[in-house]
Amino acid sequence: SQTIHQWPATLVQPVGSPLSLECTVEGTSNPNLYWYRQAAGRGLQLLFYSVGIGQISSEVPQNLSASRPQDRQFILSSKKLLLSDSGFYLCAWTLIGLNTEAFFGQGTRLTVV
Amino acid sequence: AQSVTQLDSHVSVSEGTPVLLRCNYSSSYSPSLFWYVQHPNKGLQLLLKYTSAATLVKGINGFEAEFKKSETSFHLTKPSAHMSDAAEYFCVVSVRGGADGLTFGKGTHLIIQP
Repeated sequence: SQTIHQWPATLVQPVGSPLSLECTVEGTSNPNLYWYRQAAGRGLQLLFYSVGIGQISSEVPQNLSASRPQDRQFILSSKKLLLSDSGFYLCAWTLIGLNTEAFFGQGTRLTVV
Repeated sequence: AQSVTQLDSHVSVSEGTPVLLRCNYSSSYSPSLFWYVQHPNKGLQLLLKYTSAATLVKGINGFEAEFKKSETSFHLTKPSAHMSDAAEYFCVVSVRGGADGLTFGKGTHLIIQP
């Protein structure tokens, strides 16, 4: 069966520090991968998605970047965090194809102080 | 284009009473529809999905939803609320393949009163 791992679960970082969140998927090949952000009391905002190794699409211009160095690995990064980067970050994957559901990781609570 | 509207940002019910979470969608094509649940500081878990088969869909934990094309609705129901149902619920629509094909509603916070 397929599983998705996302870490760390919580993170407190000072303003201006770098960020690296990692997500890996097991049990499937060539998934579509996503990074979402969920601000307090708000819905999900799609940040990045990837259809393959090295292929990244950005939905929202911002202080963050994403990379996909391996088929089932998706990394969210920042060189210098801002206070506004605080939030709950979720990694997800879907199978390629029409109308397939997304499977989510457990999320990372990022607090920038 | 596609969109999802969750009509209530908060719903409060008493334990043991029915739950109704409302969702309306718009799309140019036949959609697939999903309901997800999110407990605090957790990821989203799929409750149920509609993909053009039976219009009444049964999911986990006693939830079900009915796809009504004429009303462009996909409301989530449960006959009897349990305290563990307290969570955030998201309605999601998908009308095409592709990595960015999912559109999320803004969520409904379900409160269960003892």
